[in-house]
Amino acid sequence: DAKTTQPTSMDCAEGRAANLPCNHSTISGNEYVYWYRQIHSQGPQYIIHGLKNNETNEMASLIITEDRKSSTLILPHATLRDTAVYYCIVRVFYNQGGKLIFGQGTELSVKP
Amino acid sequence: EPEVTQTPSHQVTQMGQEVILRCVPISNHLYFYWYRQILGQKVEFLVSFYNNEISEKSEIFDDQFSVERPDGSNFTLKIRSTKLEDSAMYFCASSEAGLGDASGRNEQFFGPGTRLTVL
Repeated sequence: DAKTTQPTSMDCAEGRAANLPCNHSTISGNEYVYWYRQIHSQGPQYIIHGLKNNETNEMASLIITEDRKSSTLILPHATLRDTAVYYCIVRVFYNQGGKLIFGQGTELSVKP
Repeated sequence: EPEVTQTPSHQVTQMGQEVILRCVPISNHLYFYWYRQILGQKVEFLVSFYNNEISEKSEIFDDQFSVERPDGSNFTLKIRSTKLEDSAMYFCASSEAGLGDASGRNEQFFGPGTRLTVL
């Protein structure tokens, strides 16, 4: 699986957009980008995933560059409840085991 | 909204004792997983389970660990003889489909975790 690089921490003002970057320069053609988050001491929570097209759901948007070497998770109007560790995971779609490999992630602090 | 539940929320045990951690996955999900997170460290994959057998396991999942789906609703993780280093949060997860199965959604839904403390 491709390795990902994320900033260790970021701050964001409440109500503003939070843009969380992820580099995955060694991603291969059959690998998807998944985003999960973990609010303190809780189980990880799925946010969104994509292959090459930009994706949007009720939680966030995922922007993947044309060369697929990086992506950005966008929380359009961050709230205090969005304070969490955000994980970018690159994963082969066809894998029997289905395991997720978590890195250190980005600790996002949303401030009033 | 359906969710994964885990019991107990906190388990304290003596070193060498057996523990069973219980999970109730989302009812229509077919793939089940256990992960653990030692305090201050990354979430680590332990094992995945499908069709009543282990699909994949990590190096952490040695002979001291076992998983079982004893009935149609529960999914358990047993640690036969606990060690101090087994102290961690243990998360159960389930998904409708596996990553190799395009027939359904493959995102994993996690439970709230069981905090295991081995003394």
